[in-house]
Amino acid sequence: GAVVSQHPSRVICKSGTSVKIECRSLDFQATTMFWYRQFPKQSLMLMATSNEGSKATYEQGVEKDKFLINHASLTLSTLTVTSAHPEDSSFYICSAEYSGEETYEQYFGPGTRLTVT
Amino acid sequence: AQSVTQLDSHVSVSEGTPVLLRCNYSSSYSPSLFWYVQHPNKGLQLLLKYTSAATLVKGINGFEAEFKKSETSFHLTKPSAHMSDAAEYFCVVSDSWGKLQFGAGTQVVVTP
Repeated sequence: GAVVSQHPSRVICKSGTSVKIECRSLDFQATTMFWYRQFPKQSLMLMATSNEGSKATYEQGVEKDKFLINHASLTLSTLTVTSAHPEDSSFYICSAEYSGEETYEQYFGPGTRLTVT
Repeated sequence: AQSVTQLDSHVSVSEGTPVLLRCNYSSSYSPSLFWYVQHPNKGLQLLLKYTSAATLVKGINGFEAEFKKSETSFHLTKPSAHMSDAAEYFCVVSDSWGKLQFGAGTQVVVTP
């Protein structure tokens, strides 16, 4: 159980276009999802916290108008990279928070590799 | 604020020998600590977590970690490395809101 999927796994887009990445919790409901970015050979950096039914909370330095997050249901959050530029090329990873009786745990998606040409 | 420092960016071990990945943390309160593994082109997998219960935590695939408050450490160990253990390992600390702070990562190479 506790599987998180991302779609697409890889995407190449042209500079100036927008790209949408989906994150789904397949077998549990997630009130909270998180979006991370990972540059090559670097660690994961939290971009934003996505809460179902409310606005996302962005980390310092992350442009909310560039990285649009929508968490419209308890199993789906989307990240849209608007007007993408080559410097946005990165590995984007989402996680969904599973809330059990006595535990909270984040389950990670497999990631989406974005290349902007 | 919380943070973690992984003391080694790269560790190379021979198959069958012990693995030690070092992690020190900084937290203003009793932290929740995790070790995740990331294999190439795969998602992050939780190896183990510490949440203020037993200080010696056993995880999957033979890994374990010991929480030492006096040393602010949470080192990851495995008695005998396997070729499949080659991957990137991240030490992670959680704040009270569930936000995770990742360490810089340690690349593990296992040689035959």
